[in-house]
Amino acid sequence: AQSVTQLGSHVSVSEGALVLLRCNYSSSVPPYLFWYVQYPNQGLQLLLKYTTGATLVKGINGFEAEFKKSETSFHLTKPSAHMSDAAEYFCAVSVVTSGSRLTFGEGTQLTVNP
Amino acid sequence: DAGVIQSPRHEVTEMGQEVTLRCKPISGHDYLFWYRQTMMRGLELLIYFNNNVPIDDSGMPEDRFSAKMPNASFSTLKIQPSEPRDSAVYFCASSFGRASGDNFGSGTRLTVV
Repeated sequence: AQSVTQLGSHVSVSEGALVLLRCNYSSSVPPYLFWYVQYPNQGLQLLLKYTTGATLVKGINGFEAEFKKSETSFHLTKPSAHMSDAAEYFCAVSVVTSGSRLTFGEGTQLTVNP
Repeated sequence: DAGVIQSPRHEVTEMGQEVTLRCKPISGHDYLFWYRQTMMRGLELLIYFNNNVPIDDSGMPEDRFSAKMPNASFSTLKIQPSEPRDSAVYFCASSFGRASGDNFGSGTRLTVV
């Protein structure tokens, strides 16, 4: 079975600083990987995804993530944090052999300080 | 595209009452998912459908929970009887295939008192 580990349940950065949210996955077959963002009292919104092809994927709001098979990682980055980036971020994995259901990490709450 | 539509947005009910949550997926999507989110347990998949057929209901907590998808444009999640520990935000999501990611609705916040 696949799994996802998000390192750090809370991350705090200053406005303008680099955002780095860590995600490691476990899967015995090639995975699909996703990052979602959840703002208060809202549903999850897809930020970006990796399925096949280019390992560096760009998403909305200036975020990007790089699939590193050797490290089983899919870390989310943004060069310069904005106050509006404050939210909870979820990494998720799916594999065809599990019926392609998404398995979510526990989430990372991002705080952006002025 | 209106996105995934859930109703109601908020539901407060008394313990023992029946609760029905509703979902309209994005037109053309062939997968539909019901999730539950709580502080303690995070985001849990309860059940999902493919082409209106339930595929995996292993996440449904107990027999008090049931879900149906009578057609491609509508699904319900029913809890009967409801209990205070069912209080959570319930999300419906849909997707076309599995590589596109799930599109989430805004959720139903259920409070059972």
